[in-house]
Amino acid sequence: DVKVTQSSRYLVKRTGEKVFLECVQDMDHENMFWYRQDPGLGLRLIYFSYDVKMKEKGDIPEGYSVSREKKERFSLILESASTNQTSMYLCASSLADLAGVRNEQFFGPGTRLTVL
Amino acid sequence: SQQGEEDPQALSIQEGENATMNCSYKTSINNLQWYRQNSGRGLVHLILIRSNEREKHSGRLRVTLDTSKKSSSLLITASRAADTASYFCATGRINKLSFGAGTTVTVRA
Repeated sequence: DVKVTQSSRYLVKRTGEKVFLECVQDMDHENMFWYRQDPGLGLRLIYFSYDVKMKEKGDIPEGYSVSREKKERFSLILESASTNQTSMYLCASSLADLAGVRNEQFFGPGTRLTVL
Repeated sequence: SQQGEEDPQALSIQEGENATMNCSYKTSINNLQWYRQNSGRGLVHLILIRSNEREKHSGRLRVTLDTSKKSSSLLITASRAADTASYFCATGRINKLSFGAGTTVTVRA
């Protein structure tokens, strides 16, 4: 069974703290994604990585950075957490799909981050 | 950017009834996908329909795609309590997906 795991289900941090969210996939997927999900706004892409050490900004990258040192691991970093970053964070992975034909994504269980 | 928009935002049905939800999108796509999310969990892929397909079935799910109207529908037949979840459409282009805000379906026993 394909599996995407995230380091924490729930996380509480204080304003100004540096926060690391980790995601690991065991499917040898090239692509990995970080989304945040807020009520009424659906999923918004923060960052996307299509290979080790490669990254691309999504729709809302401000306040976030990412790291992909190994193919199976994709980390999301909040350099200085703020209360407006309180959200559900979802990691996903998929095969490389340049034809845009078979790009279904596999999601982790999510991390609910609260910034106080 | 949010590409797909689901309609309705919420749906409440009796167990055994069918549930239909729609998705509209704005730009050309390679494929359209539907995902389910149970409360507080990650999304699970349900079905993918390619831009050259018009209809696809998977178990109790039926998806249609009308590229001329830039719309898709998801039908869940003979609903069960376990179908209570949020359903999202996602439009696919190269490597990435754009998700809508979702339809919340409640199946009453």
